[in-house]
Amino acid sequence: NAGVTQTPKFRVLKTGQSMTLLCAQDMNHEYMYWYRQDPGMGLRLIHYSVGEGTTAKGEVPDGYNVSRLKKQNFLLGLESAAPSQTSVYFCAVWEGQVAYEQYFGPGTRLTVT
Amino acid sequence: DQQVKQNSPSLSVQEGRISILNCDYTNSMFDYFLWYKKYPAEGPTFLISISSIKDKNEDGRFTVFLNKSAKHLSLHIVPSQPGDSAVYFCAASASPNTGNQFYFGTGTSLTVIP
Repeated sequence: NAGVTQTPKFRVLKTGQSMTLLCAQDMNHEYMYWYRQDPGMGLRLIHYSVGEGTTAKGEVPDGYNVSRLKKQNFLLGLESAAPSQTSVYFCAVWEGQVAYEQYFGPGTRLTVT
Repeated sequence: DQQVKQNSPSLSVQEGRISILNCDYTNSMFDYFLWYKKYPAEGPTFLISISSIKDKNEDGRFTVFLNKSAKHLSLHIVPSQPGDSAVYFCAASASPNTGNQFYFGTGTSLTVIP
């Protein structure tokens, strides 16, 4: 039972390159979230999904796209990476009912040069 | 604009003493509040939560207090232990009013000195 996993753990991109971050869960939770963490900024929501086939924008969605084709996977895409997207990215899941706590993945550290 | 604020970026406490971490919020629709703990190179982990119908919730050494009129919550850790050294984030939600989103503060880095 791995919980929430993220792939890759680290990545260095050049400006203009594209990549996809994968979040996978085995908890069967409906809600999935992508956050970025930057120094002095806390965790900011990029996009989220309330179920398979659905996505919605969060606080800082520009420059990112997401897809939730399967319930257990939530993909975050950067079509043309910019240095401002250098950050640590966290995926989180939430059951969406009684308990409000989210479960987080270990993070992906992305550097855009 | 930041809806959840943690105005103290860092806090140092002696082992055995009380640690008090503070959090303020601006959105009166928030009805559920959570604290997360984060070690370096790991994802945040849930610590304790409180619903707006309560003003206190306790779990072992950790107690969260909520003052709705002041839009303020605090996390008390008693006694503090070196293993508590981490970054603590508070978070708030008004699901479904906020579209099932959670809003996080900027974090407070706690150092417990042995």
